[in-house]
Amino acid sequence: AQTVTQSQPEMSVQEAETVTLSCTYDTSESDYYLFWYKQPPSRQMILVIRQEAYKQQNATENRFSVNFQKAAKSFSLKISDSQLGDAAMYFCAYRSVGGRWDDKIIFGKGTRLHILP
Amino acid sequence: GAGVSQTPSNKVTEKGKYVELRCDPISGHTALYWYRQSLGQGPEFLIYFQGTGAADDSGLPNDRFFAVRPEGSVSTLKIQRTERGDSAVYLCASSRDGYSNQPQHFGDGTRLSIL
Repeated sequence: AQTVTQSQPEMSVQEAETVTLSCTYDTSESDYYLFWYKQPPSRQMILVIRQEAYKQQNATENRFSVNFQKAAKSFSLKISDSQLGDAAMYFCAYRSVGGRWDDKIIFGKGTRLHILP
Repeated sequence: GAGVSQTPSNKVTEKGKYVELRCDPISGHTALYWYRQSLGQGPEFLIYFQGTGAADDSGLPNDRFFAVRPEGSVSTLKIQRTERGDSAVYLCASSRDGYSNQPQHFGDGTRLSIL
């Protein structure tokens, strides 16, 4: 079974600085998707960034980028120029690639990110 | 609708009672998912519908939990004989067709509190 581990329950960063959130995962599959989701107090899970395992190039979305190390099964999220609106819970997540019946997303326990003004 | 809608937003009930939680997916989405998020944890998968049928219910914790999607759109998660351990946020998500390359869009969840 696949697992996702986030070892940092909480982190803080000064506004405008850069922060990196860590994630490791375990799988025997060779192809899969990895995600970072943001969950503000509104509870809605917002997709921040997605990485396909067969792509070697690290995904980027504006101020958000990942460092995907497939052999090490590591998937960290870097947030540049941190803003107050980035404060939230961040979840690392995994999903198998397959047909229509590959369904569930497996989430880590989350990292709460605080932005200090 | 524009997004996944879940009602009620909050539900407080007594131990032993029956509850129903509703999810209205994005119009046209055939795949629908329920997750449960306990305090301090990430969401955990409960059940996945493709159309009207439950394609995977392996995450339902026991037979007190049941979900339906009779017309392939709105889904209801039903919990019988509620226990305090059922207290959590119940999240619903939908995707266009269930293929893994399609993103899952989440609702705001229902916070269930069992007294």
